[in-house]
Amino acid sequence: ELKVEQNPLFLSMQEGKNYTIYCNYSTTSDRLYWYRQDPGKSLESLFVLLSNGAVKQEGRLMASLDTKARLSTLHITAAVHDLSATYFCAVDLSGSRLTFGEGTQLTVNP
Amino acid sequence: DGGITQSPKYLFRKEGQNVTLSCEQNLNHDAMYWYRQDPGQGLRLIYYSQIVNDFQKGDIAEGYSVSREKKESFPLTVTSAQKNPTAFYLCASSIAATLRVYEQYFGPGTRLTVT
Repeated sequence: ELKVEQNPLFLSMQEGKNYTIYCNYSTTSDRLYWYRQDPGKSLESLFVLLSNGAVKQEGRLMASLDTKARLSTLHITAAVHDLSATYFCAVDLSGSRLTFGEGTQLTVNP
Repeated sequence: DGGITQSPKYLFRKEGQNVTLSCEQNLNHDAMYWYRQDPGQGLRLIYYSQIVNDFQKGDIAEGYSVSREKKESFPLTVTSAQKNPTAFYLCASSIAATLRVYEQYFGPGTRLTVT
């Protein structure tokens, strides 16, 4: 079965702290995407990871891809309230469509 | 400005009525997708199309229909056969290629309420 699993599904953290969201997938792929969704809004592209060992950083977010472990991480450094959102990873597992994880709902508290 | 537009933003219908959601893109993308999102849930793929005049069912196609007569447009009809049509509907597009899926760009979404 083609599956993408994120954990945790819910994350409540304090401002200034660090944390990592994990995205595991069930079969070989070298393409993984991270998206952000604010409440009631559409999805916004954050990172495109296209090869094993790819690392991308934007502000307080850093994403990496380990295709051998079938794992991507989204690391949050010194969280701020503006990062509160739901984060989705999506993987090309079949060559014709993306499979999305369930999403991680992040809340950053003052 | 290039992008994807969906209309309307909010749509209200009575049970038993068919309704069509619009999706237009001017990104010159070949592939287009329709997703459904329920509150607090992830995205579920309804239909997708990689080329004009061709489309495939996704995971939850029952009760929905689509057409792809033009590259820029991929309308979704929610029929009366769809048991629980109230949801947030998202359209996306991407470059298409054989055996590869590229980054998808999303429209702003249509929130459908059926009573």
